[in-house]
Amino acid sequence: KQEVTQIPAALSVPEGENLVLNCSFTDSAIYNLQWFRQDPGKGLTSLLLIQSSQREQTSGRLNASLDKSSGRSTLYIAASQPGDSATYLCAVSGDRGSTLGRLYFGRGTQLTVWP
Amino acid sequence: DTEVTQTPKHLVMGMTNKKSLKCEQHMGHRAMYWYKQKAKKPPELMFVYSYEKLSINESVPSRFSPECPNSSLLNLHLHALQPEDSALYLCASSQVAEAEETQYFGPGTRLLVL
Repeated sequence: KQEVTQIPAALSVPEGENLVLNCSFTDSAIYNLQWFRQDPGKGLTSLLLIQSSQREQTSGRLNASLDKSSGRSTLYIAASQPGDSATYLCAVSGDRGSTLGRLYFGRGTQLTVWP
Repeated sequence: DTEVTQTPKHLVMGMTNKKSLKCEQHMGHRAMYWYKQKAKKPPELMFVYSYEKLSINESVPSRFSPECPNSSLLNLHLHALQPEDSALYLCASSQVAEAEETQYFGPGTRLLVL
């Protein structure tokens, strides 16, 4: 069974820092990997989706990379702001046709950016 | 419009009550999902509907009963729940239930069972 691990579990940084969140998965037969943001008590907002054939995706201050063969992804946040404070979840999707859209989630990294 | 809506936002119910959670999307998606999320844990898949038919039931207790009356609507009927069922219930949808499709999540219903 696919297992997704996120490190660190929590991170507290001052505003303006560049930071890296890590995600690893045990089964490299994935179709894509998604990074989500979740504010306390709220639903999930999709930030970036990387297909298994891609190496990275960028959106504004966010950059996500994927090394499928080693089972790793990183989310890079540039020039962090207090508004970035949230829990960041990594999820992988099983290979085509095998899991009918099942997502496997990590436990998340709880990020606090203080002014 | 990439919005998935869920009602109610909050729900408190006793163990003998019957209640329903509702999820709606108007993106023309043909796959809809229910997830359960306990505090500080990742979401756990409960059910997947594909073209209004139940395609995955992750061994969820029968006190949870899903229903997909049409392609835009997904319900979760609750009966005789236990306090440990208290959680955030998330609905999601995607074009189809395939691995390559992005899932769009609703804001969730926070359920408290007393």
